[in-house]
Amino acid sequence: GQSLEQPSEVTAVEGAIVQINCTYQTSGFYGLSWYQQHDGGAPTFLSYNALDGLEETGRFSSFLSRSDSYGYLLLQELQMKDSASYFCAALNTGGFKTIFGAGTRLFVKA
Amino acid sequence: EAQVTQNPRYLITVTGKKLTVTCSQNMNHEYMSWYRQDPGLGLRQIYYSMNVEVTDKGDVPEGYKVSRKEKRNFPLILESPSPNQTSLYFCASSSRGPATNEKLFFGSGTQLSVL
Repeated sequence: GQSLEQPSEVTAVEGAIVQINCTYQTSGFYGLSWYQQHDGGAPTFLSYNALDGLEETGRFSSFLSRSDSYGYLLLQELQMKDSASYFCAALNTGGFKTIFGAGTRLFVKA
Repeated sequence: EAQVTQNPRYLITVTGKKLTVTCSQNMNHEYMSWYRQDPGLGLRQIYYSMNVEVTDKGDVPEGYKVSRKEKRNFPLILESPSPNQTSLYFCASSSRGPATNEKLFFGSGTQLSVL
């Protein structure tokens, strides 16, 4: 079947760096996206990787290794407002379906 | 302002009473999709549409219908809602093409309770 695995919870300290991993098993894989969702809010787009390597957007970076079916989201200089859920999502070439992981809850402590 | 608008924000209904959740986008996006979000399960795709009059099933389409008569609108229809359809629903859109950055824009969500 098709699935994405990511840790359910991660806790880090304000100002630190945290990495959220995502491994995927999908057919016709096209790319990997990351979304942030605060409690009571809608998911918002953070980053997308179609090719292997690192994509950097401000404090956020995302990495993809297609050969390892693995990606991660790196958050630097953590702030309290980064406390949220983070979802990886695989775009599937077969009809452009999007499959989401179950999400990682990030807790940022002072 | 570019946005995806869903209505209603909250909806409480009873089993078997047909309902429609509306979704509209003002970004001229070709691709639209519906998801449901349940605790511990992330977002699961219900239906998606690549363009007007083109729709296809996602991973959990049972009990749902959609239509795409206009580019901007993509309503979700529950003909006979059941309690297991109690969930948080999101509509999303994107200007997706084969080489397009995969960026979904989400509506603010509809919390549905079926009693």
